Amino acid sequence: DAKTTQPNSMESNEEEPVHLPCNHSTISGTDYIHWYRQLPSQGPEYVIHGLTSNVNNRMASLAIAEDRKSSTLILHRATLRDAAVYYCILRDLRSGGSYIPTFGRGTSLIVHP
Amino acid sequence: KAGVTQTPRYLIKTRGQQVTLSCSPISGHRSVSWYQQTPGQGLQFLFEYFSETQRNKGNFPGRFSGRQFSNSRSEMNVSTLELGDSALYLCASSLTTGAYYEQYFGPGTRLTVT
Repeated sequence: DAKTTQPNSMESNEEEPVHLPCNHSTISGTDYIHWYRQLPSQGPEYVIHGLTSNVNNRMASLAIAEDRKSSTLILHRATLRDAAVYYCILRDLRSGGSYIPTFGRGTSLIVHP
Repeated sequence: KAGVTQTPRYLIKTRGQQVTLSCSPISGHRSVSWYQQTPGQGLQFLFEYFSETQRNKGNFPGRFSGRQFSNSRSEMNVSTLELGDSALYLCASSLTTGAYYEQYFGPGTRLTVT
């Protein structure tokens, strides 16, 4: 039932940019795209979200494709603390307006010193 | 501001027993969601409570239930525990319900069923 597709893992070197892709070909026009990450032995933490246009915050940038069928989370300079599992999440609308957050398998990011 | 707290952090129960987990949201947050995380199934949504009412529910059997109190604190109960219920149970709070919100997760309760 997962509505997003992410690579299982990615690797990066410290201080380099990281682009984490997410495919969501079944996204509807009103679905928001959320990104969370989960550091080892911790609960997930919110990173960023967007609808159509690119978004920036202190943690990351979110680039959304024009057709919205994919998005990319950009960490501008990876640090060792960014090593985590990154989840791309879509709103999963059921009848009646219910919202069921659907987490995919996530991408495990490995950062090398 | 204090984060989301969950108690207990670790729990060992025997198959057939029941268990109650507690979650205290961030002050001012009125929505509390519960998730189950296992290595095999990943992170799965259990249910969400807002203003003491269950708003959304995932695909879990009726053995999993919850409630929310007037101070927004929430409890989750699992009856007739099965070995497969061994998991990390995460609670998340947000200001309001709906799709457009930031959730803040607690550290989780690690439940082991033997």
